[in-house]
Amino acid sequence: AQTVTQSQPEMSVQEAETVTLSCTYDTSESDYYLFWYKQPPSRQMILVIRQEAYKQQNATENRFSVNFQKAAKSFSLKISDSQLGDAAMYFCAYRRGSNQFYFGTGTSLTVIP
Amino acid sequence: EADIYQTPRYLVIGTGKKITLECSQTMGHDKMYWYQQDPGMELHLIHYSYGVNSTEKGDLSSESTVSRIRTEHFPLTLESARPSHTSQYLCASIGGPGGETQYFGPGTRLLVL
Repeated sequence: AQTVTQSQPEMSVQEAETVTLSCTYDTSESDYYLFWYKQPPSRQMILVIRQEAYKQQNATENRFSVNFQKAAKSFSLKISDSQLGDAAMYFCAYRRGSNQFYFGTGTSLTVIP
Repeated sequence: EADIYQTPRYLVIGTGKKITLECSQTMGHDKMYWYQQDPGMELHLIHYSYGVNSTEKGDLSSESTVSRIRTEHFPLTLESARPSHTSQYLCASIGGPGGETQYFGPGTRLLVL
């Protein structure tokens, strides 16, 4: 069964605008971690932002922020003031307590100049 | 970016050949992982290790093997490569403030003819 679902295979955004990438997950645990990773074309996958489930406050890293809805099991990523360098595949990931990670199928983000 | 390295970056090889994909990290992380990634698909865990002399198979059935003789080194071996092994292979290790974040290598793109 799919643990992490990203329902948007592709998204596009105008440069300087805001875009939101969706992610839902399935778990029966109360304590876990959620992540958004960015993978530019032919480049290394890097961490964008992480959220600890027991923290109610949404994580923020500069232009990147999340909307974490624990009850709804939703973890969306908002990118503000989009830049050309934001173009990449974005993966949502869930970490179980056993140190195993589960990834979504990714969202390909295009930034239009 | 994290100090995790993979070689080779690209490999084209004939069916039946034995190959070893190298992964090393200089961060002293105990937990390391190998994923297989196909376009438009989620990352599939094929092997992981929680430390020296510890290796486990992941969710994806694989004909590969791994070893963990040193903390910093986690090579993946295919005894007899097949076209179905054509994919990208990502190595990762866990670190971060609470030891909860995965850091990825640049990946090895494998093509088996």
